[in-house]
Amino acid sequence: GQNIDQPTEMTATEGAIVQINCTYQTSGFNGLFWYQQHAGEAPTFLSYNVLDGLEEKGRFSSFLSRSKGYSYLLLKELQMKDSASYLCAVPNTGFQKLVFGTGTRLLVSP
Amino acid sequence: DVKVTQSSRYLVKRTGEKVFLECVQDMDHENMFWYRQDPGLGLRLIYFSYDVKMKEKGDIPEGYSVSREKKERFSLILESASTNQTSMYLCASSFPDRGTYEQYFGPGTRLTVT
Repeated sequence: GQNIDQPTEMTATEGAIVQINCTYQTSGFNGLFWYQQHAGEAPTFLSYNVLDGLEEKGRFSSFLSRSKGYSYLLLKELQMKDSASYLCAVPNTGFQKLVFGTGTRLLVSP
Repeated sequence: DVKVTQSSRYLVKRTGEKVFLECVQDMDHENMFWYRQDPGLGLRLIYFSYDVKMKEKGDIPEGYSVSREKKERFSLILESASTNQTSMYLCASSFPDRGTYEQYFGPGTRLTVT
């Protein structure tokens, strides 16, 4: 089966950098997703990593280490609008479904 | 752009009522999903459908059923609503053969059962 761990909550200041970690255990690996979810809204896709290393997309970067079962999402130049929950997810054994972590709630303060 | 729509953003029902939540996607996706989301518990899969009339139970199917008569539409049915089914319900769809398993979500339905 799959097991995903992420911190429950983090706080950071506007303009700063924050790293949100995700560790996973899975019997078969086929990539890792990060989604952003603002309060009361649907999750929206941020990134998908299938190979080791860092992928950068503007202010957001995502890192994957398959050997360590570890990923992180790096948010730079934080803005107030980045206050949201960040969900880590991996495909299940059959690869048709996603298994989600409980999410990390990020609060950005002025 | 993929669009997933849900029939209601907010719904209030009474205990014992039969409740229908509708989801429609416009990208010809084979896979469709129903989740509920509760504080501290994250997204939990209720049911999954991989084709018309095909369904599979997720992690928490008790008290729910689903219907998929057309490819674009996936309905979640609460046979007899109970207060512990008060939650945010999210529908999603995905295209399984694209090499990734990205799911596209609808806006969610916040259901309150009183």
